[in-house]
Amino acid sequence: GENVEQHPSTLSVQEGDSAVIKCTYSDSASNYFPWYKQELGKRPQLIIDIRSNVGEKKDQRIAVTLNKTAKHFSLHITETQPEDSAVYFCAATPPKIIFGSGTRLSIRP
Amino acid sequence: EAGVTQSPTHLIKTRGQQATLRCSPISGHTSVYWYQQALGLGLQFLLWYDEGEERNRGNFPPRFSGRQFPNYSSELNVNALELEDSALYLCASNDPGRVLASGRAHTGELFFGEGSRLTVL
Repeated sequence: GENVEQHPSTLSVQEGDSAVIKCTYSDSASNYFPWYKQELGKRPQLIIDIRSNVGEKKDQRIAVTLNKTAKHFSLHITETQPEDSAVYFCAATPPKIIFGSGTRLSIRP
Repeated sequence: EAGVTQSPTHLIKTRGQQATLRCSPISGHTSVYWYQQALGLGLQFLLWYDEGEERNRGNFPPRFSGRQFPNYSSELNVNALELEDSALYLCASNDPGRVLASGRAHTGELFFGEGSRLTVL
C-alpha cells in the first residue's frame, strides 16, 4: 500500500506477558501483509505473513489478524521471551512493498 | 544456496561525491528492492526493479537512481552526496510469483542482504 502506519513505536513488556503491535494501510489493492523482525545489527527476516483471504494466522507464539474492511492488521506475541526483543516491521503490498515505521519491542526480565 | 549479497559492506564518502552500491539477488529471484534505513529508523522504500525494469520508486530525489542487469543483479547510485544520505542501504529480493493479467503479483517473502553502510562526511 502507499502508506502504512504502525503503532506503538516502542513497547516494553514483562517476560511472559503478551505484546500487540498494530498497523493500518491505505491502499485497498493491498492483499499481502508480512511481518519482519530485525534484531540489533542484523537484517530483517520474515516471521509471519497473512493474505487477504484469511482473517487470522498463527504460528506457535505468534499470530497475525487482519481486518480488510477497517484496513488494519495486528501482530500478537504471547508468552514473550528475551529473544523476542527486536524491532518489528509490518508491510503491505502490492503494488510496492511499503513498511511501517517499526516497533522496538523490549522484554523486561 | 547463497543468500542476497551486497557490496561494499562499508563505504565512506564526502559531500558531493557519488556512491555506487551493488546487490546480487538469490538465484531465481527477478525482483530487487532497495531500502534506506537511517540509524534507529524505519525502512524507507527507494526503488523496485523487476525483469530489468524500474517498476516503482519511493519519495527520494532523482539523484538516487539505479539499474538492474540481465542477470538480475542491481546497482544503486547516489549522486551529489549529502550528509543526510548516511544510512544503511538494504537490498532485498523475491520471487514475484504468478503472472496475472494485470502484471506480476508481488507477494512472497523478501530476502534481505546484510546491507551497505554509507557514511557521508
